[in-house]
Amino acid sequence: GQQLNQSPQSMFIQEGEDVSMNCTSSSIFNTWLWYKQDPGEGPVLLIALYKAGELTSNGRLTAQFGITRKDSFLNISASIPSDVGIYFCAGQDSNSGYALNFGKGTSLLVTP
Amino acid sequence: DVKVTQSSRYLVKRTGEKVFLECVQDMDHENMFWYRQDPGLGLRLIYFSYDVKMKEKGDIPEGYSVSREKKERFSLILESASTNQTSMYLCASSFPGRSPLHFGNGTRLTVT
Repeated sequence: GQQLNQSPQSMFIQEGEDVSMNCTSSSIFNTWLWYKQDPGEGPVLLIALYKAGELTSNGRLTAQFGITRKDSFLNISASIPSDVGIYFCAGQDSNSGYALNFGKGTSLLVTP
Repeated sequence: DVKVTQSSRYLVKRTGEKVFLECVQDMDHENMFWYRQDPGLGLRLIYFSYDVKMKEKGDIPEGYSVSREKKERFSLILESASTNQTSMYLCASSFPGRSPLHFGNGTRLTVT
């Protein structure tokens, strides 16, 4: 599978701050997805993006599918303590049966 | 709500044992996947299946096999467990095509 470059690797912020993370790939994907994983749990889907240029929001979360189809970003506004977790980007293509290629994750810590 | 259930949250096995990890989904999904998750490496695809009795190798299939006798069930088999297979194992399922994956809560396997 394709290796995705996700950054930053970790973030340590104060409650109320905005957060931005991004993901790049050397190849094109048809779909970009963002997942969040809480400790001891499986990843949970936050946002799915299906079209180049698409900008989608889910509450305080906003994600965009890059025009080149090789990148995506996720923004979290006004962070709260329950935003703590690991955020993964994932690209999906038809070459691997639509399995997901994952970034290595961004670990987010939010202090009150 | 999609439910992907992994039979065990924690498993401890000895080197050389044959290990079965079971996964069941209740959404009639055609596709099922097994990933392993290791610190610093993210999620890596072991095997996937897009239909009953069908299987495809992922990025790291060595030392593993799978079985899909029924649509709702996908089993991961470690023929002879080794210590380097100590990891978190995540099962996922989806509809065909550009459809998000839904994950179970994982099985943390320790091989001693």
